[in-house]
Amino acid sequence: SQQGEEDPQALSIQEGENATMNCSYKTSINNLQWYRQNSGRGLVHLILIRSNEREKHSGRLRVTLDTSKKSSSLLITASRAADTASYFCATDETKAGTALIFGKGTTLSVSS
Amino acid sequence: DVKVTQSSRYLVKRTGEKVFLECVQDMDHENMFWYRQDPGLGLRLIYFSYDVKMKEKGDIPEGYSVSREKKERFSLILESTSTNQTSMYLCASSLLGIPEAFFGQGTRLTVV
Repeated sequence: SQQGEEDPQALSIQEGENATMNCSYKTSINNLQWYRQNSGRGLVHLILIRSNEREKHSGRLRVTLDTSKKSSSLLITASRAADTASYFCATDETKAGTALIFGKGTTLSVSS
Repeated sequence: DVKVTQSSRYLVKRTGEKVFLECVQDMDHENMFWYRQDPGLGLRLIYFSYDVKMKEKGDIPEGYSVSREKKERFSLILESTSTNQTSMYLCASSLLGIPEAFFGQGTRLTVV
């Protein structure tokens, strides 16, 4: 079962603009993470937000979490061409013995 | 730095062949995972393991098996490949109780 669903599926912006991606999930979670994948490569962890947190920052990244709506958003500020990649949210459920479940991803294209 | 190494970046196999995809991590992680990634479907969990000789089915285990004889190595086995197993296969590992996962570079398998 796919836990996270990202929205939009694809996003095209100009350098310097902000990019916002959203993720919705279905069950209670311990944490929500965002990962980045450059074309044809493995995923790289960007940021984690715990279920008792509402907002977190890391450099140009800002993540929010609304557990009442079961949703999260990733904001990339002042985007660069190098931010072009696919972005995935991943959740781990509160019950023990489960693995990370990923959404389908948002493909971000930043043009100069 | 954590390193997760997948044995091949690209593989081409004929229908019916047996395929072993190897994954090795060098940070003594307890958890290891195999995902497949297909366009429009995101990452789907095939199998995961929390310890040596332990395995748990993910969302799409049919047609696959796994082996974990040593802590650092997690193998994905395709007993008799079919064309619908053409995909990108991603291995990941994480520490027990730590949600951040580290990914290998992926193996792009083509079955002809």
